[in-house]
Amino acid sequence: GAVVSQHPSRVICKSGTSVKIECRSLDFQATTMFWYRQFPKQSLMLMATSNEGSKATYEQGVEKDKFLINHASLTLSTLTVTSAHPEDSSFYICSAPRTGSSYNEQFFGPGTRLTVL
Amino acid sequence: QKEVEQNSGPLSVPEGAIASLNCTYSDRGSQSFFWYRQYSGKSPELIMSIYSNGDKEDGRFTAQLNKASQYVSLLIRDSQPSDSATYLCAVIGGGSNYKLTFGKGTLLTVNP
Repeated sequence: GAVVSQHPSRVICKSGTSVKIECRSLDFQATTMFWYRQFPKQSLMLMATSNEGSKATYEQGVEKDKFLINHASLTLSTLTVTSAHPEDSSFYICSAPRTGSSYNEQFFGPGTRLTVL
Repeated sequence: QKEVEQNSGPLSVPEGAIASLNCTYSDRGSQSFFWYRQYSGKSPELIMSIYSNGDKEDGRFTAQLNKASQYVSLLIRDSQPSDSATYLCAVIGGGSNYKLTFGKGTLLTVNP
């Protein structure tokens, strides 16, 4: 399958700092990427849709000023958690659909585990 | 509201048996259907995609789609302990621009 990478895989930060997570599609171009959050033993929760060249679309209840998304190129989207607090500690996962073909399979990155102290 | 429902589970099968996972969806306009496997602490991994009515086989996995009944299933033959994971059914609804709607997942345990 296609490869989507994330960096970093794990980050620990102090409360009040900002953390940037990168998501890259390594072998295909992705005009759209998705950002999810998952708390332990819970389902994936879609946070936002990242669109190359335009503003991200946020799901209801997700603060756009807290979770800044930038889709800088056809292979890179970044999620910045601003002024992180302990309640933001979670597993953040990006995904990218391989578009432009007759199929639209979506591939997930390995995830970033964020711990805010 | 587009919904995807899966067997609540957990599902436990002995090694070598067939594991059957089921999923129904509410959006009749849905065109793309996927099964993901998620190990504890890891991100989802795509294992099967299906777009047409009928069966699609890939190794020990068979996906079945019945659009009239709005039903998708996944069969795992010769189940192995390494198949123990949460299986997520996901659907791209009509006009949703690649956005996946997930079921809550079914936890499968394969006992040696």
